Amino acid sequence: QSALTQPASVSGSPGQSITISCTGTSSDIGSYDLVSWYQQHPGKAPKLIIYEVTKRPSGVSIRFSGSKSGNTASLTISGLQAEDEADYYCCSYAGRNTPGYVFGTATKVTVL
Amino acid sequence: EVQLVETGGGLTQSGGSLRLSCAASGFIVSNTYMTWVRQAPGKGLEWVSVIYKGGSTYYADSVKGRFSISRDNSKSTLYLQMNSLRIEDTAVYYCATDDGGDKGGGFDSWGQGTLVTVSS
Repeated sequence: QSALTQPASVSGSPGQSITISCTGTSSDIGSYDLVSWYQQHPGKAPKLIIYEVTKRPSGVSIRFSGSKSGNTASLTISGLQAEDEADYYCCSYAGRNTPGYVFGTATKVTVL
Repeated sequence: EVQLVETGGGLTQSGGSLRLSCAASGFIVSNTYMTWVRQAPGKGLEWVSVIYKGGSTYYADSVKGRFSISRDNSKSTLYLQMNSLRIEDTAVYYCATDDGGDKGGGFDSWGQGTLVTVSS
């Protein structure tokens, strides 16, 4: 159950778009369309922003979008805003080996 | 409104035990899956355990054999029994769920977390 790999940090200016990658294996991301993304501000609980690779929960901004290709999932934040500065985690079902889940290593998004 | 409230955290010595509780409201716990996720100080999220709608339970390798997840449907409460605690188990423990059972592995409701500290 190795953690999914994310870049440690990504930055952008207000209004720009940024993309965060999340690389797994054929046992997790590559086998299931069950990738989710979470936003976490300091001292707060995580918030679900994407599920099933591309779907947004009610109330989540359309500026957040998800995709997947092979063993890599991606989160794109368009029209970057100051409030987007936070830690972001991907998560995948990893049922081939163990019917559980695995999180990514976290990406700190900085708005310049 | 969905609400999850964790209790039971605290300070314990290495080798000790703790039981965490997660009181749920606003949905029926037996109708969906519930999970525990932890976050060591200054570190990332780590999935710990899940209990599915049918009662099946699964664990991360790091806690297998030491932790046990369960739920009491009548009390709408999720539990995590933690035995043989190690220093590396020190973390904030969150319970989380897909309260509608329709988010395909996405956890859309989280508690505020409870801190577990294991000392030597």
